[in-house]
Amino acid sequence: GAVVSQHPSWVICKSGTSVKIECRSLDFQATTMFWYRQFPKQSLMLMATSNEGSKATYEQGVEKDKFLINHASLTLSTLTVTSAHPEDSSFYICSAIKGKEAFFGQGTRLTVV
Amino acid sequence: AQTVTQSQPEMSVQEAETVTLSCTYDTSESDYYLFWYKQPPSRQMILVIRQEAYKQQNATENRFSVNFQKAAKSFSLKISDSQLGDAAMYFCAYRSTGNQFYFGTGTSLTVIP
Repeated sequence: GAVVSQHPSWVICKSGTSVKIECRSLDFQATTMFWYRQFPKQSLMLMATSNEGSKATYEQGVEKDKFLINHASLTLSTLTVTSAHPEDSSFYICSAIKGKEAFFGQGTRLTVV
Repeated sequence: AQTVTQSQPEMSVQEAETVTLSCTYDTSESDYYLFWYKQPPSRQMILVIRQEAYKQQNATENRFSVNFQKAAKSFSLKISDSQLGDAAMYFCAYRSTGNQFYFGTGTSLTVIP
């Protein structure tokens, strides 16, 4: 199956700093990627749809200035958590669609201290 | 937005027995896909089974099968001959025509040896 790689797997940062998470489709081109957030023992909540070459589409309630998304190429989307705070600590997952299926990255555990 | 409901936060099954996980969804679309994903402790999302809404025949993948009732908007997952490796969180997911995935709240499955 297709492979989506997410980096880093985990990151710890200080409050007020920014963190960038990368999502790459390794063996296929993805014009659209998706970013999710997952709290412990909860479901995946769609944050935004990342579109190659254009602005991302954010779900209601997600701050676009807080969670910057860039989809500069057909294989890479990045999520930057700006001015991170402890409440931003979570598990972030990206996915890309190939054919009928969605393929997920390994996820990034972000801890803001 | 579409909603996906999983009414069983936790389920348990004896090894080698059969268990059914429930899922209902709400949509006004006529063409869509439904999925069951498995999320083990590693948190990597793994596709279990997929169902196209236009297909009346229930999807089957080895020990995994679904009972898809389109009129009732119900999509349950049956796991036969349960194995210890089946223990995980299971998420029901709806894929919209815009390719966004919406997930249920998940069911934590425990397999008892």
